[in-house]
Amino acid sequence: GEDVEQSLFLSVREGDSSVINCTYTDSSSTYLYWYKQEPGAGLQLLTYIFSNMDMKQDQRLTVLLNKKDKHLSLRIADTQTGDSAIYFCAELISSNTGKLIFGQGTTLQVKP
Amino acid sequence: DVKVTQSSRYLVKRTGEKVFLECVQDMDHENMFWYRQDPGLGLRLIYFSYDVKMKEKGDIPEGYSVSREKKERFSLILESASTNQTSMYLCASKPRDSNQPQHFGDGTRLSIL
Repeated sequence: GEDVEQSLFLSVREGDSSVINCTYTDSSSTYLYWYKQEPGAGLQLLTYIFSNMDMKQDQRLTVLLNKKDKHLSLRIADTQTGDSAIYFCAELISSNTGKLIFGQGTTLQVKP
Repeated sequence: DVKVTQSSRYLVKRTGEKVFLECVQDMDHENMFWYRQDPGLGLRLIYFSYDVKMKEKGDIPEGYSVSREKKERFSLILESASTNQTSMYLCASKPRDSNQPQHFGDGTRLSIL
């Protein structure tokens, strides 16, 4: 069945780049999403990419997709303390229903 | 901007109570979703709905039911609350037949004592 995997924790220093990784298993064309969850809040969409793309850039965020390895990464340049949050990778597994499969979430800790 | 509103941020109920969690969206979206979020498990889909009065089971529907009487409102019901239903509950909506992303509410942190 479909599965999305993420590492659980990442710690970086302010000003460094952060790279959060995700692997997925569905082989069909699909959309892949990155969401951010700040403490006590819901999920905020950061960016998304279609599986026929290799890369998408949006200000400090860069998404890289390796289709062969089914590996997705989110790079945050010049990481700030306000980037501390849980980051979820999600895969669209049904375009008809909009059903997503989420990874476990990666907690990003940014140290000053 | 899409607004998904969950009626309570925090809720405390007792074992055996019937609990209602309400979600309202203001963008005329056809599809609505209920998830629960637990540490280390990510988000797991409980139920979703793709139209008024229509519902589909997600991955963990046991112990829950839903109601979609109006397009903008999707309610999650815990028929007889148990302590293992203590969790964060998140509602989301999106347009049908579209690859537009799901938009989430702020969540309801439910504690069952």
